[in-house]
Amino acid sequence: KAGVTQTPRYLIKTRGQQVTLSCSPISGHRSVSWYQQTPGQGLQFLFEYFSETQRNKGNFPGRFSGRQFSNSRSEMNVSTLELGDSALYLCASSLAVDRGLGQYFGPGTRLTVT
Amino acid sequence: GESVGLHLPTLSVQEGDNSIINCAYSNSASDYFIWYKQESGKGPQFIIDIRSNMDKRQGQRVTVLLNKTVKHLSLQIAATQPGDSAVYFCADGGSQGNLIFGKGTKLSVKP
Repeated sequence: KAGVTQTPRYLIKTRGQQVTLSCSPISGHRSVSWYQQTPGQGLQFLFEYFSETQRNKGNFPGRFSGRQFSNSRSEMNVSTLELGDSALYLCASSLAVDRGLGQYFGPGTRLTVT
Repeated sequence: GESVGLHLPTLSVQEGDNSIINCAYSNSASDYFIWYKQESGKGPQFIIDIRSNMDKRQGQRVTVLLNKTVKHLSLQIAATQPGDSAVYFCADGGSQGNLIFGKGTKLSVKP
């Protein structure tokens, strides 16, 4: 069974631009969560989607948004990019929202903002 | 608020030795924990999880111990191999469904 896939793997953008990242969960998984990883802050939760609905949101500004499609694929968007948005963005999928089912991560998208 | 911390940022062990990576959590209501391994350039890889109704769980070469009294968990890796070199994170299952990660411990295995 294929794992979580994320596209693109690497991205370079300039300040003020916007970016869209994509995540395809493991087949059959309906919950998708997004995390930001930086050396200073570590792994921080952005948001979680299940059945096309945002179920939970972390403490990030409104410039960060996401959505989930009927096939469980998810996208996240960051508008008006800032230098501090440079990070590894990770997507994780789970069968459902039951925390006990475990979350499985993709390889991430490395975003660099210049 | 919830937080998860690691006792040591780096750990260096000799190949073949056992490794112990520690983690403390703050939320006494936490009932689910996961250990992840992250190699350079890759996303976190699920290693093992444990629910709060258990105090020990074993996998292949790995054991997780949970002490709810002192809100501490540890990951033990038996016969550590060079391929075990990575950053290890403990994660609190959280009360909302999202994972709360510790800062990570970098494990280096000396041949």
